[in-house]
Amino acid sequence: QKEVEQDPGPLSVPEGAIVSLNCTYSNSAFQYFMWYRQYSRKGPELLMYTYSSGNKEDGRFTAQVDKSSKYISLFIRDSQPSDSATYLCAWSGGATNKLIFGTGTLLAVQP
Amino acid sequence: DAGVTQSPTHLIKTRGQQVTLRCSPKSGHDTVSWYQQALGQGPQFIFQYYEEEERQRGNFPDRFSGHQFPNYSSELNVNALLLGDSALYLCASFLGGDKDEQYFGPGTRLTVT
Repeated sequence: QKEVEQDPGPLSVPEGAIVSLNCTYSNSAFQYFMWYRQYSRKGPELLMYTYSSGNKEDGRFTAQVDKSSKYISLFIRDSQPSDSATYLCAWSGGATNKLIFGTGTLLAVQP
Repeated sequence: DAGVTQSPTHLIKTRGQQVTLRCSPKSGHDTVSWYQQALGQGPQFIFQYYEEEERQRGNFPDRFSGHQFPNYSSELNVNALLLGDSALYLCASFLGGDKDEQYFGPGTRLTVT
């Protein structure tokens, strides 16, 4: 079983839609949870991070963590064409906090 | 405030050659991690440097080696290049005691022919 499972998509939505991106993980040692956005041929950009169960909101983005179910989600409200990118979920834990990534979900927001 | 920088942007090498990639961490950061990202995949952890020492290593062969300098910048060296080493190589930096925010550079795209 992979440590992190993420639906690769692609996911295509119309502008203004609410987008839901999801990841599951298997390792209970994971402590910190992150979402990165990666535009084509660029480095990942940190969107949100959290270390507790519950919701964290930042503008149009909401990260949701359910540690009991080992499940995290990212919601994007009022999606824009500029949100078109690959979204990577990541976990870290342990002394060195290496990041373990999902495969990424490719999102296309159609104008 | 300068973010993470990497050089070069692109590189084309031939099988069997050696390559050196460079990374300067974000200002104030002291820890550097290197990742390899194959097309259509998430980044895979190669190793991490802190206080000029390799602190942890992922599942990569000894052909991959690195170094961290006193100014916290870092190099990734890959010897005896294989076609399968073609990927985007990413550097991430953070402050060792801050477990939350790790920032990535733009990456170096390596093509091995």
